[in-house]
Amino acid sequence: QVQLQESGPGLVKPSQTLSLTCTVSGGSISSGDYYWSWIRQPPGKGLEWIGYIYYSGSTYYNPSLKSRVTISVDTSKNQFSLKLSSVTAADTAVYYCARVVGPYDAFDIWGQGTMVTVSS
Amino acid sequence: QSALTQPASVSGSPGQSITISCTGTSSDVGGYNYVSWYQQHPGKAPKLMIYEVSNRPSGVPDRFSGSKSGNTASLTISGLQAEDEADYYCSSYTSSSTYVFGTGTKVTVL
Repeated sequence: QVQLQESGPGLVKPSQTLSLTCTVSGGSISSGDYYWSWIRQPPGKGLEWIGYIYYSGSTYYNPSLKSRVTISVDTSKNQFSLKLSSVTAADTAVYYCARVVGPYDAFDIWGQGTMVTVSS
Repeated sequence: QSALTQPASVSGSPGQSITISCTGTSSDVGGYNYVSWYQQHPGKAPKLMIYEVSNRPSGVPDRFSGSKSGNTASLTISGLQAEDEADYYCSSYTSSSTYVFGTGTKVTVL
């Protein structure tokens, strides 16, 4: 069965760029039936959708983060990645990657999440 | 885009039924049948419980059901059990080709 696993630094300095990768196992990221998304959750708070990507490279972003977010895909490695620039303490959160059924539907499979702290 | 509105907390005794509301606008909940619900236990990743307003993924107990009327979607848990104590979030696709989550509801089993 398909599994997702996030990886990347757990500590990022303010004003720097946060970079995370999600590795997909048990299935192909190039399957045309799915999109691949990033979602975050600040400590003690709710979920926030960051954006998603199709295997072809088409992307959609949360308007509130769009100016700082880049999501990319590497089909040869079965991975997709998140870059968030100019981070502040407000970007401290657990970051999840998730699979989206089609371009409109639910997030049906989630990674376990990775905590990223923004601090000097 | 504003978060969908959910009650902060809902509680019930074992065996009872509870309902969690999720209120949006005609640009999200009211405009699409792409409302989903997620259960999140402390320290764990969210788990899909309902998709497309009222459909249950394989393995989700039929105690969980979803519905929608106008701009408000609802999740009902019938026959509440201790393991249902968790946070619940709704989500909807939007007219901007984006997603929005609800504010979250903490369910307590008394």
